[in-house]
Amino acid sequence: EAGVAQSPRYKIIEKRQSVAFWCNPISGHATLYWYQQILGQGPKLLIQFQNNGVVDDSQLPKDRFSAERLKGVDSTLKIQPAKLEDSAVYLCASSPGQGGEQYFGPGTRLTVT
Amino acid sequence: GENVEQHPSTLSVQEGDSAVIKCTYSDSASNYFPWYKQELGKRPQLIIDIRSNVGEKKDQRIAVTLNKTAKHFSLHITETQPEDSAVYFCAASFTGGGNKLTFGTGTQLKVEL
Repeated sequence: EAGVAQSPRYKIIEKRQSVAFWCNPISGHATLYWYQQILGQGPKLLIQFQNNGVVDDSQLPKDRFSAERLKGVDSTLKIQPAKLEDSAVYLCASSPGQGGEQYFGPGTRLTVT
Repeated sequence: GENVEQHPSTLSVQEGDSAVIKCTYSDSASNYFPWYKQELGKRPQLIIDIRSNVGEKKDQRIAVTLNKTAKHFSLHITETQPEDSAVYFCAASFTGGGNKLTFGTGTQLKVEL
């Protein structure tokens, strides 16, 4: 089966600019996660969707980050405006349900200068 | 919320030796404990997981043990090989609460020839 797809793979922007990341989960996976992985740290959950509804966004900086999963398939994560500390790899993961293995995409490496 | 501590942060072993990585968690409700391997610039990949109704699980050269009373779990790799060199992350979640994974800070394992 095809894995989790993400684009772009790399992005460099200046602070205060906006950026968007796209994720296409494994077909049929109802649950989608966005994680932020800062260099040298473990991934940190930003937001979790079950189909097109938000299950957990408690660690999402809502003043600058937003995410949506229209139609319960693809998802986009947006940052506006970006700060230097947003430099990280943004990982998307999906799972068949809420209790199953999570499969990660290749990630988008964001550099904010 | 859940907090996961992981030790050691770096581990160097000789090829053929065993490697042990330890994690502790804080939330007694957590019932799912996966281990991920992440090679440089790659996505995290699940290598083994254990649920709270099991004390030990083994898959070829890797094994995981869980002590629910002490709230700690460990990854054991036997007969290490150079291709085992990577960063290993432990994680914990409560599958009844959306399966939000909380990751440890990672262990850089280096297997030397």
